[in-house]
Amino acid sequence: GQQVMQIPQYQHVQEGEDFTTYCNSSTTLSNIQWYKQRPGGHPVFLIQLVKSGEVKKQKRLTFQFGEAKKNSSLHITATQTTDVGTYFCAAGNQFYFGTGTSLTVIP
Amino acid sequence: NAGVTQTPKFQVLKTGQSMTLQCAQDMNHEYMSWYRQDPGMGLRLIHYSVGAGITDQGEVPNGYNVSRSTTEDFPLRLLSAAPSQTSVYFCASRGQHNQPQHFGDGTRLSIL
Repeated sequence: GQQVMQIPQYQHVQEGEDFTTYCNSSTTLSNIQWYKQRPGGHPVFLIQLVKSGEVKKQKRLTFQFGEAKKNSSLHITATQTTDVGTYFCAAGNQFYFGTGTSLTVIP
Repeated sequence: NAGVTQTPKFQVLKTGQSMTLQCAQDMNHEYMSWYRQDPGMGLRLIHYSVGAGITDQGEVPNGYNVSRSTTEDFPLRLLSAAPSQTSVYFCASRGQHNQPQHFGDGTRLSIL
């Protein structure tokens, strides 16, 4: 069954504010993947984290994998309207996704 | 590069009708899966396959059948459509068990 829980489900931010979504598992994960789905589109792979405590950055996006490999976060600095969409995490070796966080950015 | 191709993109059915959603990938991926996406429900796994001739059930398999006779194709069959199956359906594939998934553009299905 589903291994990962994601919070919050929805987030509205003013443009320029920061945003964070969290992914939590009750079991140790071998790796975790993050995806972004634009409105009306399909999920697109962003990044994969494998190592305990790993931190990766993609421009304004920062991804972290917890020390115990049971949680992960995606942080966006100074959101822009192009960040609008739903962000999903997935246990990398499973087919199951978290429920996603829908981000709305208010101009 | 075609990637994952889903057909049709849109479909309207009447209750009780049957149909097949097509999914094909040209990346020689072993792993393929079908998801449905409903508002507020995220991506729910319907069926998946880890190779030709091998399929298994996901979270919400009832009312759907799949087969995997070739590596490239993974069709999803609705046996007797019900309004509760109105959804957006995504097919995905990946090469190995820990690699990223590649998604098709989706099929938007309405059942009246």
